Amino acid sequence: SQKIEQNSEALNIQEGKTATLTCNYTNYSPAYLQWYRQDPGRGPVFLLLIRENEKEKRKERLKVTFDTTLKQSLFHITASQPADSATYLCALFFMDTGRRALTFGSGTRLQVQP
Amino acid sequence: EPEVTQTPSHQVTQMGQEVILRCVPISNHLYFYWYRQILGQKVEFLVSFYNNEISEKSEIFDDQFSVERPDGSNFTLKIRSTKLEDSAMYFCASRGGLAGPYQETQYFGPGTRLLVL
Repeated sequence: SQKIEQNSEALNIQEGKTATLTCNYTNYSPAYLQWYRQDPGRGPVFLLLIRENEKEKRKERLKVTFDTTLKQSLFHITASQPADSATYLCALFFMDTGRRALTFGSGTRLQVQP
Repeated sequence: EPEVTQTPSHQVTQMGQEVILRCVPISNHLYFYWYRQILGQKVEFLVSFYNNEISEKSEIFDDQFSVERPDGSNFTLKIRSTKLEDSAMYFCASRGGLAGPYQETQYFGPGTRLLVL
């Protein structure tokens, strides 16, 4: 079955540093991959989408890379701020499996220390 | 900026009771979804809805669940006879469905926290 793995341990970094979060998947390659931010008790908030034929996407301080050979996406937040502290979810959309809905990873909690 | 809204924000019910969770998707969107998230666990897909019918459902979405789009704006999830294990956050999402990367993006509502006692 399809597995999506994100670091289950929290990532603690100092303000101003770059945070790098990892999303690995097995088996099928997704048509596209999305990163969401989730604050406690709130719904996921869309951040970035990257397609299978794209290697990198940027939006302000955010950068996503996608390596279909390694079956991995990396999510970077540069010049991190305490307000970036949240759980970050990767979500994959697969065409090959027939499931036309997002499959989520368990998320990585990011804590940015001032 | 348009957003998905959900009501109620919290719902407490007794086991065996029926609940209806309501969502207003973004107005020009064509695809609608329900997901749930049990406390401390992953967001899980329940059902997708397009053109007034279910297009896909997960193994979680059994006979006690149903969805409806009763008018042009609301999208509801009904749980007929709630169980303790139905306690979770329920998220509605919608997407445009047309071509283009951001039309494929699913936008989530703030969720309804359901507690079954």
